Amino acid sequence: DSGVTQTPKHLITATGQRVTLRCSPRSGDLSVYWYQQSLDQGLQFLIQYYNGEERAKGNILERFSAQQFPDLHSELNLSSLELGDSALYFCASSARLAALTGELFFGEGSRLTVL
Amino acid sequence: GESVGLHLPTLSVQEGDNSIINCAYSNSASDYFIWYKQESGKGPQFIIDIRSNMDKRQGQRVTVLLNKTVKHLSLQIAATQPGDSAVYFCAENTGNAGNMLTFGGGTRLMVKP
Repeated sequence: DSGVTQTPKHLITATGQRVTLRCSPRSGDLSVYWYQQSLDQGLQFLIQYYNGEERAKGNILERFSAQQFPDLHSELNLSSLELGDSALYFCASSARLAALTGELFFGEGSRLTVL
Repeated sequence: GESVGLHLPTLSVQEGDNSIINCAYSNSASDYFIWYKQESGKGPQFIIDIRSNMDKRQGQRVTVLLNKTVKHLSLQIAATQPGDSAVYFCAENTGNAGNMLTFGGGTRLMVKP
């Protein structure tokens, strides 16, 4: 158990819909990362927050947004969903920024299926 | 753009043998590399890391080698066990201030009993 909690574990929805994925980092970790894992793209970095502020951004679509709340939990919002958005979405946390440590603690992921 | 890639998608080894998983990177400015293991149905798990001022680092049954001349790193697993069966990813820190971790495509390690 990494200590990172993601909900929901599974989610099935239709194209055009909007979903919110939630992540609770390990106790005390200030950094939260979101990754998308699909068969053809591997693990793709989406976005990173540190203590509530956005610190790094990957190839995150404009239809996707995220935020980190004062209690350090984070949410990833996916809107106008398309079939290609079907993937595993991982949240990870670390005590420090990735520039200082590459040891991220990953949750078990949220599997999104768009029909 | 710069990327981290893996030579082999699948590696099959006999239990007890040593395993070597390779990774190439293209950004000569990369200075920090990490290996992760992902078991089926789970999130990736940190194994070991190495900074560019080192060429070798050892952990418990694992060794990471870094060859900056040819921009290549490898993960060696000694006495491979069935529990080592997983997908292995190399990653490097990239992006502004190095706060992005960019993962390679992954190698699936299968351990035969």
